[in-house]
Amino acid sequence: GNSVTQMEGPVTLSEEAFLTINCTYTATGYPSLFWYVQYPGEGLQLLLKATKADDKGSNKGFEATYRKETTSFHLEKGSVQVSDSAVYFCALRSTGGTSYGKLTFGQGTILTVHP
Amino acid sequence: ETGVTQTPRHLVMGMTNKKSLKCEQHLGHNAMYWYKQSAKKPLELMFVYSLEERVENNSVPSRFSPECPNSSHLFLHLHTLQPEDSALYLCASSQDPGPAPGELFFGEGSRLTVL
Repeated sequence: GNSVTQMEGPVTLSEEAFLTINCTYTATGYPSLFWYVQYPGEGLQLLLKATKADDKGSNKGFEATYRKETTSFHLEKGSVQVSDSAVYFCALRSTGGTSYGKLTFGQGTILTVHP
Repeated sequence: ETGVTQTPRHLVMGMTNKKSLKCEQHLGHNAMYWYKQSAKKPLELMFVYSLEERVENNSVPSRFSPECPNSSHLFLHLHTLQPEDSALYLCASSQDPGPAPGELFFGEGSRLTVL
């Protein structure tokens, strides 16, 4: 079956530090990959996505590249802000077989950014 | 109202109570989902409704009973729950097939505590 593994958190950084949150996956075929973010007291929202190998998703200064050879989709940001403090979820969607967007999520990584 | 709204935001119930969680989406989507979010665990997909028909039931105990009366509304009926059912229950919607396959739009969740 499909699975997503994220690096253990929590991750604590100072403002303007470089961020990497690792994500690796197991899936058959060619899944689409996503990063979702959950700010305190809110639901999840899509941060970025990539639908095929070597695609780079980007949004709000965050980037992630779909690496099929290493089955990875690591999230990076060059300079984090206090407002980036949230829980980050890596997810994948299998291709084919369904007519709806069923996603498999990782366990989430808590990020705390201090001033 | 816009997006996906869930009520109530917080619910405390005893193990013998019967209660319901409500979700409403104002996005014109054709699929709706219930996810369970527990601490330090991946989001668990519970139920999926596509075009008002239940298409997935991930081995969820019968004490959770979903209902989808139309494409905009989704309920989760709760009865004789256990303390381990305490969690954040997230509702989501999507349009599949559509311009953004796999993009789920989440509500803010209903925080359930079972005493």
